Amino acid sequence: SQTIHQWPATLVQPVGSPLSLECTVEGTSNPNLYWYRQAAGRGLQLLFYSVGIGQISSEVPQNLSASRPQDRQFILSSKKLLLSDSGFYLCAWSEGLTGYVGQPQHFGDGTRLSIL
Amino acid sequence: QQQVKQSPQSLIVQKGGISIINCAYENTAFDYFPWYQQFPGKGPALLIAIRPDVSEKKEGRFTISFNKSAKQFSLHIMDSQPGDSATYFCAASTQQFSGNTGKLIFGQGTTLQVKP
Repeated sequence: SQTIHQWPATLVQPVGSPLSLECTVEGTSNPNLYWYRQAAGRGLQLLFYSVGIGQISSEVPQNLSASRPQDRQFILSSKKLLLSDSGFYLCAWSEGLTGYVGQPQHFGDGTRLSIL
Repeated sequence: QQQVKQSPQSLIVQKGGISIINCAYENTAFDYFPWYQQFPGKGPALLIAIRPDVSEKKEGRFTISFNKSAKQFSLHIMDSQPGDSATYFCAASTQQFSGNTGKLIFGQGTTLQVKP
C-alpha cells in the first residue's frame, strides 16, 4: 500500500532563517506531488505541484520554492522566512502516468511551522 | 469560476442526529467532487467522492447528494457520533490532471461538533 511521510511534524524558526521541509511517498511510481498551505481556520491553498522529477509548477508567488530531486521526494524550501510563512504545510500525492493523473489526492500529516 | 463555496462554517449536532454540509461550485467542467475529513493536527483524509453521472453515493453513514443542474453537492452524516467531530472540506476538480486542470479547489471547511 502507498504511504506518505512528512517531516518534521512541528518546526519553530526565527524570521529570516532558511527552511527545508521534506515529503516522501512509498509504494507507488511516478506520482504527482503537491504542496499545500493551510492557514488557521482556512481552507487549503495549493502552492506547488510536480508531475515528474525536476518539474515544478508554482501556483502562488511567494518566497517559497519547491524541488523534486527524486521520483518520490518533494522538498519545500525558503532562503529567508517571513512571519507570514507561518502555517500548516501539507504534502499530497496522486497517481500519475505520463503527465496524466486521476484523482484522488492523499495527504500527509503535515508540518506545523511557526515563525518567531 | 474556480470557487467552491461551503456552508455552514460551523455546525453543532446532537449525537444520533443528521449533519448536513453544503457546497456549490461554478465551473461546469468539474467532474470529481470529494469530501475530506480532517482531525486537529492531522492531514485531510479522503472520506467519500462522487462523479456527476450519479446523483447520490453512500458509504456507511456518509452520503453525498449531487445536483448537477444546481451545481451543488452536499454531505450527509447519518446517526452522527462524537467521533465524527472534525473539520470537513468539500472540493471539486476535473478527473484528469493536465496543466491547469485537475487541481483540487477546496471549500473553506466546516467545523462539526457532535455533542454526546
